Amino acid sequence: EPEVTQTPSHQVTQMGQEVILRCVPISNHLYFYWYRQILGQKVEFLVSFYNNEISEKSEIFDDQFSVERPDGSNFTLKIRSTKLEDSAMYFCASSARVSGANVLTFGAGSRLTVL
Amino acid sequence: SQKIEQNSEALNIQEGKTATLTCNYTNYSPAYLQWYRQDPGRGPVFLLLIRENEKEKRKERLKVTFDTTLKQSLFHITASQPADSATYLCASQVIYNQGGKLIFGQGTELSVKP
Repeated sequence: EPEVTQTPSHQVTQMGQEVILRCVPISNHLYFYWYRQILGQKVEFLVSFYNNEISEKSEIFDDQFSVERPDGSNFTLKIRSTKLEDSAMYFCASSARVSGANVLTFGAGSRLTVL
Repeated sequence: SQKIEQNSEALNIQEGKTATLTCNYTNYSPAYLQWYRQDPGRGPVFLLLIRENEKEKRKERLKVTFDTTLKQSLFHITASQPADSATYLCASQVIYNQGGKLIFGQGTELSVKP
């Protein structure tokens, strides 16, 4: 069964450093997402991406964050100047272009620990 | 603002019993609701979707209902097994454009004891 692949599975970084989280969405999917889940809290939407541009972003997704699809397969989330409160699980998801319901397939997540 | 709320208290049940989880929504009327399963340290996995014009949807031991009057969806697992232990998330789109984001409830943790 097709799956969304995320790397790294766990990254530890010092406060103020930049991190890049990588995702390989399902190949025939057109919509891509990043979600975040702080330990013990809900899964929160960060950003959605379609046709090589951001289609929607949340209040959390400020200038510290950026997304990119550098080639036909990878989808990355860059976090500049990390803060302690950026420590969380970051999930990439993708969905196919279908009418009506938008069902997401999630990756296993990248755990970011900021020290 | 639009909200999806789930009972944050963990649900503990005995193997073989039926687990019932609740999802309530406020300040909007979703055209459908989705249920996902999340295991510790893993991403959510899609289970079921129910549309507003469907009262009930079944898949194997899972059943979902949608009551637009009560603004509520119930998620049932019949003949529960220890392997069903996980956190179950309710989700929906707020804006029904293609590729529109999902918002999630906080999830209900289910523990099935042998």
